[in-house]
Amino acid sequence: GAGVSQSPSNKVTEKGKDVELRCDPISGHTALYWYRQSLGQGLEFLIYFQGNSAPDKSGLPSDRFSAERTGGSVSTLTIQRTQQEDSAVYLCASSLRGGSYNLPLHFGNGTRLTVT
Amino acid sequence: GENVEQHPSTLSVQEGDSAVIKCTYSDSASNYFPWYKQELGKRPQLIIDIRSNVGEKKDQRIAVTLNKTAKHFSLHITETQPEDSAVYFCAASNGGYQKVTFGIGTKLQVIP
Repeated sequence: GAGVSQSPSNKVTEKGKDVELRCDPISGHTALYWYRQSLGQGLEFLIYFQGNSAPDKSGLPSDRFSAERTGGSVSTLTIQRTQQEDSAVYLCASSLRGGSYNLPLHFGNGTRLTVT
Repeated sequence: GENVEQHPSTLSVQEGDSAVIKCTYSDSASNYFPWYKQELGKRPQLIIDIRSNVGEKKDQRIAVTLNKTAKHFSLHITETQPEDSAVYFCAASNGGYQKVTFGIGTKLQVIP
């Protein structure tokens, strides 16, 4: 079946421009995450959506970052006034929620963002 | 919130030897502990997970152990092979409505 789909796969933008990154989770998955992975680094949590609950935005690094999830499905991560330090791979992941446990995350292939 | 520490950050082993990666977590309410493998240029993928109601789980050459009292869990890979070379991430979660928190990752190199 279809996995988590992210677009674009690569994005090059000039410093100061806004960018939008899209994530299509696996159908029926109620949880959706955004992570950032800089070159050779770990998975930096950005934001977490779970069903109709208020999103956990505690990982967003600045007010230039925002995310939406429309209709409980597709999510868009927006970075305004991009800076060179925003250059990274942005990974989206989704999962089902199984009772009191989280279930495995399924990651997309990521969007490689380069800010010049 | 939850904090997950992982070590070592890099690990080199000879092919055929065992590799052990250790993680600790801070939230005693955490009940789900997955491990992900990320090969170079690819997405992280789940390789094994354990829930708080068991102490050990095995899948062929891979095993995970959990010590709830000490709040640590470990990944054990036996008879390592070159294709095991990758970055491994541990993670913890304290329930279905709480986010999954990852460790910083361990870069494993298996030397042929």
